[in-house]
Amino acid sequence: KAGVTQTPRYLIKTRGQQVTLSCSPISGHRSVSWYQQTPGQGLQFLFEYFSETQRNKGNFPGRFSGRQFSNSRSEMNVSTLELGDSALYLCASNYRQGAGDTQYFGPGTRLTVL
Amino acid sequence: GQQVMQIPQYQHVQEGEDFTTYCNSSTTLSNIQWYKQRPGGHPVFLIQLVKSGEVKKQKRLTFQFGEAKKNSSLHITATQTTDVGTYFCAGFGAGYALNFGKGTSLLVTP
Repeated sequence: KAGVTQTPRYLIKTRGQQVTLSCSPISGHRSVSWYQQTPGQGLQFLFEYFSETQRNKGNFPGRFSGRQFSNSRSEMNVSTLELGDSALYLCASNYRQGAGDTQYFGPGTRLTVL
Repeated sequence: GQQVMQIPQYQHVQEGEDFTTYCNSSTTLSNIQWYKQRPGGHPVFLIQLVKSGEVKKQKRLTFQFGEAKKNSSLHITATQTTDVGTYFCAGFGAGYALNFGKGTSLLVTP
């Protein structure tokens, strides 16, 4: 099976702009999670979608939003970008395995806000 | 909310030495997962532990889950340069959110 794909891989934006990131999970996986990774804060959970429904959301401002389509592909959007939004944004395709979901991460989108 | 803490933050070893990273949760975990992230890469799933006191081995890697299901450890025997990377533990918090520790970055010099 093909792995998780994320586009674009790199993005440079300026403050105040908005950005949309895309994630295609592994075929057959219906759950997708998004994380923000920064050197200072580590991996922080943004939100998780299952069958087009957001099941859980992390502690991020409303500028961060997401959605999932019927084919399980997911997008996340960040509006009114701030310098602090510079990070690696990781999407994970989730597969139920026993007591928990195993998460298969994509390569990430490196966002730089100038 | 649930917090997952890892120590040490960094570890530098000579090739052939052993390495251990420890993970502690502020709450009881239903299960714990371990991931490895190579420099410039993305986290890769290593293993999931579910039972109290569980021990699992993957070649030179040994994973343990504490009796109280609030702590875990990863031990690498005789490190190799291919072990370089950051090792994360993660536990499920409310709903379907996976709470990651800050990770332990391992550097192995030949």
